Amino acid sequence: EVVMTQSPATLSVSPGERATLSCRASQSIGTKLAWFQRRPGQAPRLLIYNASARATGIPAGFSGSGSGTEFTLTISDLQSEDFAVYYCQQYNDWPLTFGRGTMVEI
Amino acid sequence: EVQLVESGGGLVMPGGSLRLSCAPSGFTFSSYSMNWVRQAPGKGLEWVSFINKVGDFIKYVDSVMGRFTVSRDNAKNSLYLQMDSLRAEDTAVYYCVRAIATASVYHYMDVWGSGTTVTVSS
Repeated sequence: EVVMTQSPATLSVSPGERATLSCRASQSIGTKLAWFQRRPGQAPRLLIYNASARATGIPAGFSGSGSGTEFTLTISDLQSEDFAVYYCQQYNDWPLTFGRGTMVEI
Repeated sequence: EVQLVESGGGLVMPGGSLRLSCAPSGFTFSSYSMNWVRQAPGKGLEWVSFINKVGDFIKYVDSVMGRFTVSRDNAKNSLYLQMDSLRAEDTAVYYCVRAIATASVYHYMDVWGSGTTVTVSS
């Protein structure tokens, strides 16, 4: 299976700063990668699909990049509501697999 | 508004069975493939199963193969997950998740339900 490795596990940032989250696939997945945000007590929310396409209603401050095995989620100008856990997930191959998540905290 | 509502979770003994249901609203259910994803306590997200629009293409994670069965009834607007031979490690919150086709066989997940909790314990 494709193993998704996210780093760092925890990212401490201040409001207004930029956060850069990484996700690495154990084999090439092209651009078949999604990013999800998980706020406490809520279901995951799709942010990015196809590695760089923003989902409907997602602010421009969220951007995704990468292809093959290396991917990045950038959150610009962090707002209080952006402090959450972020997961990457590949859909290039079965089984579909998620990374373990990056917690973005103040 | 697109919504997914899961039901059917509960406490079950090891070796027992449960049937989860997912009720979609706000979109044409029969036009979308669907997934089940779970999250065990203190663990990350784990994809469990996929079923295509008409129910003739199904996939499972290895750990549930032969024990779980996904199905759908488009006429009744419902998605199901029959879980048999349950184990303690199946304890998790189970989410129903809509799938969006991006290119032929590739699907990403977009809308998630709020989840239903399954606890397997004696």
